[in-house]
Amino acid sequence: AQSVTQLDSQVPVFEEAPVELRCNYSSSVSVYLFWYVQYPNQGLQLLLKYLSGSTLVKGINGFEAEFNKSQTSFHLRKPSVHISDTAEYFCAVTEDYKLSFGAGTTVTVRA
Amino acid sequence: GAVVSQHPSWVICKSGTSVKIECRSLDFQATTMFWYRQFPKQSLMLMATSNEGSKATYEQGVEKDKFLINHASLTLSTLTVTSAHPEDSSFYICSARDHLAVYNEQFFGPGTRLTVL
Repeated sequence: AQSVTQLDSQVPVFEEAPVELRCNYSSSVSVYLFWYVQYPNQGLQLLLKYLSGSTLVKGINGFEAEFNKSQTSFHLRKPSVHISDTAEYFCAVTEDYKLSFGAGTTVTVRA
Repeated sequence: GAVVSQHPSWVICKSGTSVKIECRSLDFQATTMFWYRQFPKQSLMLMATSNEGSKATYEQGVEKDKFLINHASLTLSTLTVTSAHPEDSSFYICSARDHLAVYNEQFFGPGTRLTVL
């Protein structure tokens, strides 16, 4: 069985500063990894995914993540955030057809 | 492409009534759809997996007689909350898996906010 741990429940950050959201997973087999963003009262939007190949994955809105198999991590980064990046971010893993989500990280961007 | 819609986007009902939520894949066929529940400030919890033409598979602790799922076509799954009570108030999100996808990406609907008075 897989599980996902998001190490930060809340991340306040100033506009134009960099941000990193940490995600660790546990699984006994190869997995696919995802980061989703959720704006208030909305569904989930896929930011990026890791399936195979290059461990550095680039997504939408300037986000990127790096898959580290030895550390079982998939941290999300953005070099310069905007006010519009204020949202809830979820890391997720799937071994088969089911997604397991982390608890989420609330990112609040301040001017 | 890969758009999933939900209807209604929000609903308020009286305790004891039943509410039906629809989940549609608009531009692809989904052999598998998923229903999640999200309480405020919490993560998504999978309730059930819905396969077209067969019975849904419910996660442990989810009452199948209370949360009725029907997946009658490749583009539509419905979740009916029967005899709703205030504790059923939540944000319900569906997702759909494209049967042609080579990996297991799920596309999410915008969610339905259910408030039971």
